[in-house]
Amino acid sequence: AQSVAQPEDQVNVAEGNPLTVKCTYSVSGNPYLFWYVQYPNRGLQFLLKYITGDNLVKGSYGFEAEFNKSQTSFHLKKPSALVSDSALYFCAVRDTPGSARQLTFGSGTQLTVLP
Amino acid sequence: NAGVTQTPKFQVLKTGQSMTLQCAQDMNHEYMSWYRQDPGMGLRLIHYSVGAGITDQGEVPNGYNVSRSTTEDFPLRLLSAAPSQTSVYFCASSGGTGANVLTFGAGSRLTVL
Repeated sequence: AQSVAQPEDQVNVAEGNPLTVKCTYSVSGNPYLFWYVQYPNRGLQFLLKYITGDNLVKGSYGFEAEFNKSQTSFHLKKPSALVSDSALYFCAVRDTPGSARQLTFGSGTQLTVLP
Repeated sequence: NAGVTQTPKFQVLKTGQSMTLQCAQDMNHEYMSWYRQDPGMGLRLIHYSVGAGITDQGEVPNGYNVSRSTTEDFPLRLLSAAPSQTSVYFCASSGGTGANVLTFGAGSRLTVL
């Protein structure tokens, strides 16, 4: 069975500082990994994904994530945080081959960027 | 291009009432799914469909029914609402094969009294 963990419910960071939102996963095969962001009263929006290849994946709004197979992690990063980055962030995983493209989501991390 | 449209946005039900949450997409996506979002639990898959006429259960299917008569529509039915079904519900779709990205609707907030 596939699973994903986001160990931090809340992350606070000052504007202009680098941010990291942590994610670890468990799959039986090779993972497809995703980050989604949710702004208040909105649906989830795709940020980036890792399928194969380069371990550093670049996505929308200046975000990037590093795939680490040995640590089974896929942490989300941004070099300089903005107040507008404040939102709820979800990591998701799908095992390959996975049935019907089902994703398993983490519990979410609330990111607050302080001005 | 509207994407994924969910209706209603808000609904209050009494225990035992039935209702249908509507979901429509205009992207010709094969895959559609329903998730519920509860605090501290992330998103949990209720039901999904890989094409018209094909549906299957996800992680938390009890108390919910679905059907997929067309590619565009994937309604979620609550036959006898319970307070435990108070949640925010999201419909999502994706096209093609492989690691395709999900497109989410804006959500439907359901309260069962």
